[in-house]
Amino acid sequence: SQTIHQWPATLVQPVGSPLSLECTVEGTSNPNLYWYRQAAGRGLQLLFYSIGIDQISSEVPQNLSASRPQDRQFILSSKKLLLSDSGFYLCAWNIGRGGRSYNSPLHFGNGTRLTVT
Amino acid sequence: AQKITQTQPGMFVQEKEAVTLDCTYDTSDPSYGLFWYKQPSSGEMIFLIYQGSYDQQNATEGRYSLNFQKARKSANLVISASQLGDSAMYFCAMREARGNQFYFGTGTSLTVIP
Repeated sequence: SQTIHQWPATLVQPVGSPLSLECTVEGTSNPNLYWYRQAAGRGLQLLFYSIGIDQISSEVPQNLSASRPQDRQFILSSKKLLLSDSGFYLCAWNIGRGGRSYNSPLHFGNGTRLTVT
Repeated sequence: AQKITQTQPGMFVQEKEAVTLDCTYDTSDPSYGLFWYKQPSSGEMIFLIYQGSYDQQNATEGRYSLNFQKARKSANLVISASQLGDSAMYFCAMREARGNQFYFGTGTSLTVIP
């Protein structure tokens, strides 16, 4: 069966420090991968999605970046965190590479609660 | 225009009663999927139920069912026999066949009253 791992679970970082959140998927190949951010009590904001290695789309211009060094690994980074980067970050995957993949639900990791101080 | 609209910020339901959470969507793509997710206070997003645009029958998964009215572009979630553990945020989402994005609504907070 497929599993998704996301870490760390919680993180407290000072303003201006770097960030690296990692997400890996097991049990599937060529997944679509997604990074979402959720502010407290709010909905989900899509940050990045990737349909393959080196194929990453950015949805919101900001100081965050994403990379996909391996097929099932998705990394969210920042060189310098801002206070506004605080939030709950969720990684997700679904079946990719064509077909009726639009009927494949997103499967989420447990999330990372980031507090920028 | 919003792709997904959830007009109920908060809902209350008595334990063991049924509750309907509203969701309307907007798309011109004839092929799409509709999804409902549950987010408890712990934060994880749990996939509940799926409805495809070509599905003739309403989807059901245990106590969850989806009231799919294609002409009205609505996909309401019905939870039967509510339990205390159903208290959570519920999100409706859509994915169009022509894209890779999932569009989420703003969510409905459900509280089950004992």
